[in-house]
Amino acid sequence: AQSVTQPDIHITVSEGASLELRCNYSYGATPYLFWYVQSPGQGLQLLLKYFSGDTLVQGIKGFEAEFKRSQSSFNLRKPSVHWSDAAEYFCAVGADGGSNYKLTFGKGTLLTVNP
Amino acid sequence: DGGITQSPKYLFRKEGQNVTLSCEQNLNHDAMYWYRQDPGQGLRLIYYSQIVNDFQKGDIAEGYSVSREKKESFPLTVTSAQKNPTAFYLCASSIQTGSEKLFFGSGTQLSVL
Repeated sequence: AQSVTQPDIHITVSEGASLELRCNYSYGATPYLFWYVQSPGQGLQLLLKYFSGDTLVQGIKGFEAEFKRSQSSFNLRKPSVHWSDAAEYFCAVGADGGSNYKLTFGKGTLLTVNP
Repeated sequence: DGGITQSPKYLFRKEGQNVTLSCEQNLNHDAMYWYRQDPGQGLRLIYYSQIVNDFQKGDIAEGYSVSREKKESFPLTVTSAQKNPTAFYLCASSIQTGSEKLFFGSGTQLSVL
């Protein structure tokens, strides 16, 4: 069975600083990887996804993520954080051909942005 | 605008009571899902439906029931058998159950009185 670890429960950055949120996965085959963002009291929104091909994936809101098979990682990055990026971020790994009902979500990383 | 509507936003349940959470989508998606979210935890799948009149148990289906009589609607009933129902419940949909983007509703917070 697949698993996802987000090592950082809470991260605080200053507005304008760079950001990297870590995600490590465990899965025997090539995984399907996702990053979702959740604002307080809201549902989740897809930021980006990786299925195959180029290991550097561009997403919405200026986010990108890099798939590193050797490190079993799919870290999310943004060069300059905006106050509106404050939210909770979830990494997810899919298996079994990428079926949505086989998605495993990490426990999330809460991002606080200081002015 | 197309999207997923969950209601109510907040719901309170008395001991021994069944409550039903509503989820409606106008995205013409075949697949719909119910997730439970607890503080500091990731999302856990309760039930999913790939098509009308069909649904399957997810990882934590005990104490819950669903129906899918219409493509647009996927209500979740939290029964009295669910002993720890306090959580944030999220409904989602996708075009199919393949590796497609999930669209989420804004959630229902269920609390026990």
